[in-house]
Amino acid sequence: DADVTQTPRNRITKTGKRIMLECSQTKGHDRMYWYRQDPGLGLQLIYYSFDVKDINKGEISDGYSVSRQAQAKFSLSLESAIPNQTALYFCATGGGGGGQFFGPGTRLTVL
Amino acid sequence: DQQVKQNSPSLSVQEGRISILNCDYTNSMFDYFLWYKKYPAEGPTFLISISSIKDKNEDGRFTVFLNKSAKHLSLHIVPSQPGDSAVYFCAASAWTGANNLFFGTGTRLTVIP
Repeated sequence: DADVTQTPRNRITKTGKRIMLECSQTKGHDRMYWYRQDPGLGLQLIYYSFDVKDINKGEISDGYSVSRQAQAKFSLSLESAIPNQTALYFCATGGGGGGQFFGPGTRLTVL
Repeated sequence: DQQVKQNSPSLSVQEGRISILNCDYTNSMFDYFLWYKKYPAEGPTFLISISSIKDKNEDGRFTVFLNKSAKHLSLHIVPSQPGDSAVYFCAASAWTGANNLFFGTGTRLTVIP
């Protein structure tokens, strides 16, 4: 079984819709992250969480919100999706040692 | 402002030869560097890392070199194999508590059989 899972893997939605991307991990890590990747660009940090009560904005948090429901679960929401949020979204976990472990990604298309 | 840069979007190498992927950074606070490998439809997977107290770290066919004065690191793959064909991301962090990673834009490596 995968250590970091993301659902859904693919999603097409319309402008203005609310959408939630979910992430679960079995690695037991306290730290969880949400990244976005656009074509030809690197990964950019949206939000990160060090534990259930600690949520922090990353480089590009505008238009996004997150919820850390439990140590193992970290969800990303787009309250009102817009076309320039079309991207590949990755969840990651980290044990504090510097390296991060990524999920398989969610491909989101906003029409 | 891109703090981690990979100026070569692609690289092609013959099987068995050396692949050299390069990465530059601008933030002098970065002191931990990682390379990730990404196949299509998968998330990035950790490959190798190096802390700023070292200038070389080796793991099998993979070696990372760090030149702090030049703010430059490179990944060497010897010998290159077709299965190494993937996108390689360089990433950096600063041990200031957050340990957030800053990624480069990636280099697509193609190893030709």
